[in-house]
Amino acid sequence: AQTVTQSQPEMSVQEAETVTLSCTYDTSESNYYLFWYKQPPSRQMILVIRQEAYKQQNATENRFSVNFQKAAKSFSLKISDSQLGDTAMYFCALRAYDMRFGAGTRLTVKP
Amino acid sequence: SQTIHQWPATLVQPVGSPLSLECTVEGTSNPNLYWYRQAAGRGLQLLFYSVGIGQISSEVPQNLSASRPQDRQFILSSKKLLLSDSGFYLCAWSVEKGGNTQYFGPGTRLTVL
Repeated sequence: AQTVTQSQPEMSVQEAETVTLSCTYDTSESNYYLFWYKQPPSRQMILVIRQEAYKQQNATENRFSVNFQKAAKSFSLKISDSQLGDTAMYFCALRAYDMRFGAGTRLTVKP
Repeated sequence: SQTIHQWPATLVQPVGSPLSLECTVEGTSNPNLYWYRQAAGRGLQLLFYSVGIGQISSEVPQNLSASRPQDRQFILSSKKLLLSDSGFYLCAWSVEKGGNTQYFGPGTRLTVL
């Protein structure tokens, strides 16, 4: 079975500061992919970053980076220099043989 | 570049009425297509996926059905809506092979009264 757990329903951060969103997962597959999606108030799901499980190097996309701990099955998202536009729901997702999403973390960036 | 469209953006329907939501993808061929439902404040639930014309796989038994009449068109339907069908419906696509990343459309907000 595949599961994705996001244990932080809500988080907040001051503008320009750094915040880390947590995600743990479980799968018996050896080859899989992990994603973070952002869902702003418009509700469109936007891909933020992805990580291939076979790559040891953590993925980065501008201000967004991940800490991928394969043995611990952990995949956290770090947002640096937070901006007001980062306010959104963030979903962690795992794709092994199908795609599974976590319940999401609501992030609020405060001015 | 690839784009994905959904319509309508918003829909209010009475219980017992039929439903048809449409999703189309541009700029790619033979995509894998997906329908998800998102209840208020919740994560995404996969409803259907399709790897080709006329090929539909259902993830959960429900009041809904899906069809793929053309390569880049995916339709979500119901003959009689239930109150529990209310939610936000998202269509997504991925490339045919090795398509591990899914890209989402803007979604349709459905309210059943």
